[in-house]
Amino acid sequence: AQSVTQPDIHITVSEGASLELRCNYSYGATPYLFWYVQSPGQGLQLLLKYFSGDTLVQGIKGFEAEFKRSQSSFNLRKPSVHWSDAAEYFCAVGASLTGGGNKLTFGTGTQLKVEL
Amino acid sequence: KAGVTQTPRYLIKTRGQQVTLSCSPISGHRSVSWYQQTPGQGLQFLFEYFSETQRNKGNFPGRFSGRQFSNSRSEMNVSTLELGDSALYLCASSTEPNTEAFFGQGTRLTVV
Repeated sequence: AQSVTQPDIHITVSEGASLELRCNYSYGATPYLFWYVQSPGQGLQLLLKYFSGDTLVQGIKGFEAEFKRSQSSFNLRKPSVHWSDAAEYFCAVGASLTGGGNKLTFGTGTQLKVEL
Repeated sequence: KAGVTQTPRYLIKTRGQQVTLSCSPISGHRSVSWYQQTPGQGLQFLFEYFSETQRNKGNFPGRFSGRQFSNSRSEMNVSTLELGDSALYLCASSTEPNTEAFFGQGTRLTVV
């Protein structure tokens, strides 16, 4: 079965500093990988996705992520964090199911706090 | 293009009651999935529908059920509510399997 680990529960960075959120996954085949962001009381917004091809993927809001198969990782990065980036971030792996279709398995999330 | 719409946004129910939540997917999306989010268990997959058929179900009791209509709108129902069913219920839609899923704002269910 697939699984996702986000080792950091909380991260605090200063505005303007760089950011890296870690994500490790376990999946037997080539994974579909996603990063979502959630503001309090809101749904999940897709930041970026990896299906195949270039291992460095660009997303919205200046985020990028790099897929490293050898390390089973898909870390999220941003060169300069803005106060509005404070939110909870979820890494997810998409897996095909025997009944057809797929489901997302999420990590436990990383709560990002931005200090002004 | 309108996003995924979930109604209602908030619900308060009493233990033992039942509840129905609604989800309207993005136009043209045929796959609808439901997830439960709680502080203790995180985000967990409930079930997925495609062309009015439930293709997959997560590890939840039979009190949780759903359906999808011909216009791809979906409903989920929880019967005999328990306190532990209090959660944010999220609906996601996608065009085809293994494409990106877009989430609604969720329905916050509180069981008292």
